[in-house]
Amino acid sequence: GAVVSQHPSWVICKSGTSVKIECRSLDFQATTMFWYRQFPKQSLMLMATSNEGSKATYEQGVEKDKFLINHASLTLSTLTVTSAHPEDSSFYICSAPMGETQYFGPGTRLLVL
Amino acid sequence: GDSVTQMEGPVTLSEEAFLTINCTYTATGYPSLFWYVQYPGEGLQLLLKATKADDKGSNKGFEATYRKETTSFHLEKGSVQVSDSAVYFCAPSNAGGTSYGKLTFGQGTILTVHP
Repeated sequence: GAVVSQHPSWVICKSGTSVKIECRSLDFQATTMFWYRQFPKQSLMLMATSNEGSKATYEQGVEKDKFLINHASLTLSTLTVTSAHPEDSSFYICSAPMGETQYFGPGTRLLVL
Repeated sequence: GDSVTQMEGPVTLSEEAFLTINCTYTATGYPSLFWYVQYPGEGLQLLLKATKADDKGSNKGFEATYRKETTSFHLEKGSVQVSDSAVYFCAPSNAGGTSYGKLTFGQGTILTVHP
């Protein structure tokens, strides 16, 4: 099946720094990728849709200047959490569609101190 | 917009018990329907899917039937195992337009299976 990877798998950073998370589709191309955030014991919240060659589409309430998304190629999307604060600590998950099915990355756990 | 209502958990069962996790949805058009599973500490994995009315998705002993008339996609397994302990998410996929492929997730149902 299709494989999506994320890097890093976990990261700890100081408050005020920026963190970049990569999402790669390993054996297929994806013009669209999705970024989600998951709080402990809760469902996934869609943050934004990453579009190759154009601007990302953000869900209501998500700050586009704080969560920068770049879809650099057909196999790579990056999410940069800028000026991170402790409330940004969460589990970030990306997905890429192949046909009608979304394939999810393993997630990146971010802890902001 | 689309929404999903899942059976509230947590659900605790003994090994070999029968499992049902209810899922109902509201959506525009004719969405495809998915169940995803998240094992402890891992990302989501596709468990099964159904793309049109009356289709039955199945995998690893789990089944779910696309019921258009009741807008439901209940997950069932006849005999659960300890290894099935995970969080299960029901998710319709937007059928078209600019939101094509977007998943709307239910709140997730935590399943714990005891030996």
